[in-house]
Amino acid sequence: GAGVSQTPSNKVTEKGKYVELRCDPISGHTALYWYRQSLGQGPEFLIYFQGTGAADDSGLPNDRFFAVRPEGSVSTLKIQRTERGDSAVYLCASSPPVGRNYRGELFFGEGSRLTVL
Amino acid sequence: GENVEQHPSTLSVQEGDSAVIKCTYSDSASNYFPWYKQELGKRPQLIIDIRSNVGEKKDQRIAVTLNKTAKHFSLHITETQPEDSAVYFCAASNRGSQGNLIFGKGTKLSVKP
Repeated sequence: GAGVSQTPSNKVTEKGKYVELRCDPISGHTALYWYRQSLGQGPEFLIYFQGTGAADDSGLPNDRFFAVRPEGSVSTLKIQRTERGDSAVYLCASSPPVGRNYRGELFFGEGSRLTVL
Repeated sequence: GENVEQHPSTLSVQEGDSAVIKCTYSDSASNYFPWYKQELGKRPQLIIDIRSNVGEKKDQRIAVTLNKTAKHFSLHITETQPEDSAVYFCAASNRGSQGNLIFGKGTKLSVKP
């Protein structure tokens, strides 16, 4: 498909386990974002990549959270020693290079719903 | 850092009426203000945005206004329809259209037929 793809769509894990969430952005999009959305809340910024590097990781809540984008395309969000409070929908978004036709829109994926028991 | 407040948290209107959602932001350097619509279980989708060099923008039944002095911006939906029912999020960024958006907590709009 042409949209942002996220896998898995649902993940149930036990407290203390390690989790990886994958995001495949729209082809050609240079910027990639991870957000976390809890029930009834707005998306909460986690980290933003421009190419392969993390341009802003100020939203990562603690050192249990880490994200990579080694080839400037697919990104993986990694959560170590999961806690019940990590339960949320993790949204990925991408955007194209800034240019004449770029509207400024973030294109979101459907999200990965993480449940930590 | 930036903080975005949004109200009301819920809004119920009759079909055909207008709906207004208001947001305030704290960082005077913010210069990009998009609005996203999220239907139940779906991804957020951009419906309209405004940059700090304009005060108002309109797209059919949707309009957004920006008051930089007061640091607030609003979404106006006229002639509401049942399909407008969704959660609406405002957001702000100080990096133009790139960089992290800070979102409000959302407004659940219900349009009753």
